[in-house]
Amino acid sequence: SQQGEEDPQALSIQEGENATMNCSYKTSINNLQWYRQNSGRGLVHLILIRSNEREKHSGRLRVTLDTSKKSSSLLITASRAADTASYFCATVSERGTSYGKLTFGQGTILTVHP
Amino acid sequence: GAGVSQSPSNKVTEKGKDVELRCDPISGHTALYWYRQSLGQGLEFLIYFQGNSAPDKSGLPSDRFSAERTGGSVSTLTIQRTQQEDSAVYLCASRPRRGGQETQYFGPGTRLLVL
Repeated sequence: SQQGEEDPQALSIQEGENATMNCSYKTSINNLQWYRQNSGRGLVHLILIRSNEREKHSGRLRVTLDTSKKSSSLLITASRAADTASYFCATVSERGTSYGKLTFGQGTILTVHP
Repeated sequence: GAGVSQSPSNKVTEKGKDVELRCDPISGHTALYWYRQSLGQGLEFLIYFQGNSAPDKSGLPSDRFSAERTGGSVSTLTIQRTQQEDSAVYLCASRPRRGGQETQYFGPGTRLLVL
């Protein structure tokens, strides 16, 4: 079942602009991860943020996590046409029996126009 | 080394037939996951393997679905008596079980269409 909502469902921007995607979740987590998917096939891991972290950076990516609000955001700065893809947040439960399985949000479709 | 591979890339079958989907994880990755992505349900967890055992099968949608893993490597997901609602992309992922290694590496998926 889906963990929660991502918004917006679709985002269309111009190259060079920043893109912000939000994710909400329902249960207590060990960590939250963001994945990218091109053309409806395999997912590529982008960044992981642990429950005791509030912000993390990786290149042009910035992720924030607010565990009190059970929400996260992904910011892509200076977007490029090649960033066009679907982006998913996924959580790992803090429960020891979660075995690291991912519970995904519904995803945001990002289109970056050249 | 090589990434996660899955076969076939695409599978078209008739309702009521059985299908087998294969996943080859990254060498040395002891943890293996199957997920399903469909228009109606999004991305859903199906089953988790640690080595050859499956301590979490909670995502399998019905008893028509089964999976096995042999030699701590290749895994096969079998769907018996396929139904149209089984149409989806089936994704496999693997990761090392060493502490702190939580990134999952996904294969390209098998797109299943049940007519």
